[in-house]
Amino acid sequence: GPKVLQIPSHQIIDMGQMVTLNCDPVSNHLYFYWYKQILGQQMEFLVNFYNGKVMEKSKLFKDQFSVERPDGSYFTLKIQPTALEDSAVYFCASRTGGGTGQLYFGEGSKLTVL
Amino acid sequence: TQTVSQSDAHVTVFEGDSVELRCNYSYGGSIYLSWYIQHHGRGLQFLLKYYSGNPVVQGVNGFEAEFSKSDSSFHLRKASVHWSDSAVYFCAVSASSGSWQLIFGSGTQLTVMP
Repeated sequence: GPKVLQIPSHQIIDMGQMVTLNCDPVSNHLYFYWYKQILGQQMEFLVNFYNGKVMEKSKLFKDQFSVERPDGSYFTLKIQPTALEDSAVYFCASRTGGGTGQLYFGEGSKLTVL
Repeated sequence: TQTVSQSDAHVTVFEGDSVELRCNYSYGGSIYLSWYIQHHGRGLQFLLKYYSGNPVVQGVNGFEAEFSKSDSSFHLRKASVHWSDSAVYFCAVSASSGSWQLIFGSGTQLTVMP
């Protein structure tokens, strides 16, 4: 089936550094999402993105977070600067459009902030 | 604001048993419900959804779920589980307006014993 690819699968960085997580969504999808999952806990919504703009973001989407998708390239989540509490697995998801369309998730990018 | 609750953090059954994973939601308006499965270390995969029509919906791998407006529930069931069904199951709810963002429950770890 359709696949969402995430790069890197795992990244370890020092607190205060910048990190960019990359997502290659399903090719004809228009809506993009980032979720955060701390080990063993629930998936928490961060942000969704459509037509070049953030549509909605949660309280977890701090000022240090930003998203973008330059034309035809990866949908990225940037954290600058990182904090210890940013350690988690970040999942990208996409869907074609229409509210009831299923989300397709990537395998996640595990971020460890030391 | 919509919320979703999964009361059972862990469910353990034997192969061939039937299972029901519970999901309750709260929201006053029109709602979209879905279930996703997450195998260890992987992304979420879509199982099934309900928006309108027949309250019993069929999904992949023999799963089904039943929507009940009176109980505010959307429980997931399977008549005969296999060891490969061992995973974490997430119920998700979305309001049928705005960005249709999915809000996930805390998840139920299903363990199927041989």
